[in-house]
Amino acid sequence: TQLLEQSPQFLSIQEGENLTVYCNSSSVFSSLQWYRQEPGEGPVLLVTVVTGGEVKKLKRLTFQFGDARKDSSLHITAAQTGDTGLYLCAGAGMDSSYKLIFGSGTRLLVRP
Amino acid sequence: NAGVTQTPKFQVLKTGQSMTLQCAQDMNHNSMYWYRQDPGMGLRLIYYSASEGTTDKGEVPNGYNVSRLNKREFSLRLESAAPSQTSVYFCASSLANYGYTFGSGTRLTVV
Repeated sequence: TQLLEQSPQFLSIQEGENLTVYCNSSSVFSSLQWYRQEPGEGPVLLVTVVTGGEVKKLKRLTFQFGDARKDSSLHITAAQTGDTGLYLCAGAGMDSSYKLIFGSGTRLLVRP
Repeated sequence: NAGVTQTPKFQVLKTGQSMTLQCAQDMNHNSMYWYRQDPGMGLRLIYYSASEGTTDKGEVPNGYNVSRLNKREFSLRLESAAPSQTSVYFCASSLANYGYTFGSGTRLTVV
């Protein structure tokens, strides 16, 4: 069974601080996606990374896929209160289906 | 742009009752999915449909059935609801590996 472990589970920081969220597995994934979820809503896709070692930037968010395609990280620079939410990583297996395995999430609170 | 529409948004059932959660997408996506989300456990796949006419079990299929009615619609049925099925249910769709689009969820309580 493929598992994705996210850390930390909870993070409370001051506006303007930097943070990194980690997503780790012992399994290889064909791709890895990051989602953000706000209360009462479904997750919204932030990014998909496909190639080992790939780095993608989305404004103040930087996503990296590990060289072995088993882990990923999300780094936020100068966090803002609008970044508050639940961040989920999700991996697609090496089979031909597109079903995703989700991590348990990192709940981020950015205080003003 | 409707995306993925789920109904109902909230539901309370008594133990043993049945109900069907409806999901429809208007993005011409081939694949559709049902997940449940419980505190501290992330999203767990119940069933998925890789294409119209096919359905497959996910990680937690017991107590559920699904129907892929056509390319747009994918329903989830609870035949005899149990308190352990209290959860938030999300439907999602995708086109190949380009990421999921989720609905806004159904919050189900079984008493």
